[in-house]
Amino acid sequence: ETGVTQSPTHLIKTRGQQVTLRCSSQSGHNTVSWYQQALGQGPQFIFQYYREEENGRGNFPPRFSGLQFPNYSSELNVNALELDDSALYLCASSLEPGLTNEQFFGPGTRLTVL
Amino acid sequence: AQTVTQSQPEMSVQEAETVTLSCTYDTSENNYYLFWYKQPPSRQMILVIRQEAYKQQNATENRFSVNFQKAAKSFSLKISDSQLGDTAMYFCAFAGSDNFNKFYFGSGTKLNVKP
Repeated sequence: ETGVTQSPTHLIKTRGQQVTLRCSSQSGHNTVSWYQQALGQGPQFIFQYYREEENGRGNFPPRFSGLQFPNYSSELNVNALELDDSALYLCASSLEPGLTNEQFFGPGTRLTVL
Repeated sequence: AQTVTQSQPEMSVQEAETVTLSCTYDTSENNYYLFWYKQPPSRQMILVIRQEAYKQQNATENRFSVNFQKAAKSFSLKISDSQLGDTAMYFCAFAGSDNFNKFYFGSGTKLNVKP
């Protein structure tokens, strides 16, 4: 157990809908990163939040957005869902970026888009 | 851009035997970290071992060790005395100095440990 939790565990949506995924970071961790893991692939970096501000983004369109809250929780929002958004979404929490890269991953949310 | 390549989609090993998983990466940086993560069917990514690029000594963690060849940009994982619980997907990952918490992952190797 890493102390990082994600909800929900599974989610089914239809194309065009919007979804919000949630992550609760390990206590004291002010950095959270989100990754998308398509079936049979390695995780791909979506973006990172540090002290409630976006701190780096991967090659994902603006319909992927996030929020980070002072209580170590965060959200990943995806608008206008597409079939290719079906994937496992992982969040990972860590201390100050650059201080250490010890990242603790959550168990993920499996999103299916029909 | 950083790329990480794992050329072995799937491997099998007998229990108690030794297996080596391969990973190569491409970067122009000199200061970076490399990782091996294990992802069992429970989906939780678990850190197996970490290597800092400026350290010449290969990292070891109990039955897990790496062969880090910086010039060749190679980072292989050796698992000794394989156990049934080692059955999982294994991902090699890279983090560079622009953001040590931004990981680039390979496509993974599925390891099956057979009794």
